[in-house]
Amino acid sequence: DAKTTQPPSMDCAEGRAANLPCNHSTISGNEYVYWYRQIHSQGPQYIIHGLKNNETNEMASLIITEDRKSSTLILPHATLRDTAVYYCIVRDSNTGNQFYFGTGTSLTVIP
Amino acid sequence: DTGVSQDPRHKITKRGQNVTFRCDPISEHNRLYWYRQTLGQGPEFLTYFQNEAQLEKSRLLSDRFSAERPKGSFSTLEIQRTEQGDSAMYLCASSPRWARENYGYTFGSGTRLTVV
Repeated sequence: DAKTTQPPSMDCAEGRAANLPCNHSTISGNEYVYWYRQIHSQGPQYIIHGLKNNETNEMASLIITEDRKSSTLILPHATLRDTAVYYCIVRDSNTGNQFYFGTGTSLTVIP
Repeated sequence: DTGVSQDPRHKITKRGQNVTFRCDPISEHNRLYWYRQTLGQGPEFLTYFQNEAQLEKSRLLSDRFSAERPKGSFSTLEIQRTEQGDSAMYLCASSPRWARENYGYTFGSGTRLTVV
């Protein structure tokens, strides 16, 4: 079962940063935080993942708190194509073969 | 490589009929996963293959469901005696065995099943 809590929906103005929060207060030491997104009628798309350090790639940045109980996905300059459902998932990469997606956050980027 | 392919994209069937879906993973990926997604929910894990071996099955995979990956390449998911509750998007994903952190977990676009 999903081990994360996310707000069901958020809006963001086009061109502004979108900050999507996620709580994972029961995360264990071996569990990574992953973010996927799903645009309507498509399969989920990997965005980024991290263990305890902040991570950045060409799509987004991931900020993980020092106690690892929460994280924030940052889309630095949101575009209309970033409108999607964003899933925050915790998973043990050593033993886990599946992702528990939960219901995610539906992000709407407004022109 | 064109990613993970699923066929058909859409399937409408009458209750009680059998349906079969196909997934072609990324060619060098030896792990293959099936998920199911109902409206308004996130994807839910069904089953997982490493090469041709089915290593894990969810309790969601009732005895009417069967999945195969006979040569360790493409996979099929069959649903027998379909019920209206089987209406969902069926997603396939693949990853390479070495991807312990599994950022190589790539999903297809899914097969949307409607049981009428």
